[in-house]
Amino acid sequence: AQSVTQLGSHVSVSEGALVLLRCNYSSSVPPYLFWYVQYPNQGLQLLLKYTSAATLVKGINGFEAEFKKSETSFHLTKPSAHMSDAAEYFCAVSEGTGRRALTFGSGTRLQVQP
Amino acid sequence: GAVVSQHPSRVICKSGTSVKIECRSLDFQATTMFWYRQFPKKSLMLMATSNEGSKATYEQGVEKDKFLINHASLTLSTLTVTSAHPEDSSFYICSARARASGTSSQDTQYFGPGTRLTVL
Repeated sequence: AQSVTQLGSHVSVSEGALVLLRCNYSSSVPPYLFWYVQYPNQGLQLLLKYTSAATLVKGINGFEAEFKKSETSFHLTKPSAHMSDAAEYFCAVSEGTGRRALTFGSGTRLQVQP
Repeated sequence: GAVVSQHPSRVICKSGTSVKIECRSLDFQATTMFWYRQFPKKSLMLMATSNEGSKATYEQGVEKDKFLINHASLTLSTLTVTSAHPEDSSFYICSARARASGTSSQDTQYFGPGTRLTVL
């Protein structure tokens, strides 16, 4: 079975500050890991994904995430927050075999203060 | 990137009626589509997996007779909420699985914009 834990349901940062959204996973097989962003009343947009290639993954909008197997983590970072980054962020895991449906974390709402 | 559409984006219906939601992959073929449900301020919960030409696989606790899924073509899956009740009000999101070219293991899911269902 696979699971995802996102620490912190709400994160608030100042514009220009570092963004760090935490994600830890549990998977019985090598996982595929994803970060999605959701704006109000919209669907999910893929930010980035890890699929067993490079451990540091760069995504859209300046976001990146690092896969750390020893820590079972896949934290999302951005060096400098922008007001437009305010949204809900979901970490998700998919096992490498089987149905490959995604298991989502509970989400983290990012607020960016001016 | 791959585009997935959902129709309608928002629907309000009376209790007891049925509502059909369409999910289309616009520029790729999707052998598998997934249906998720999202409650307010909650994460997405997988409802069912829909494979083209075969019966959908439902998650535990999801009533297959209430949430009818049809995946008649490689670009279209439909979710019909039958005899809808207020507790069925939710945000329904579909995703379609696309294969990255040249690497069959690097599947990516592309999500539709979601359908907001309100049952009065």
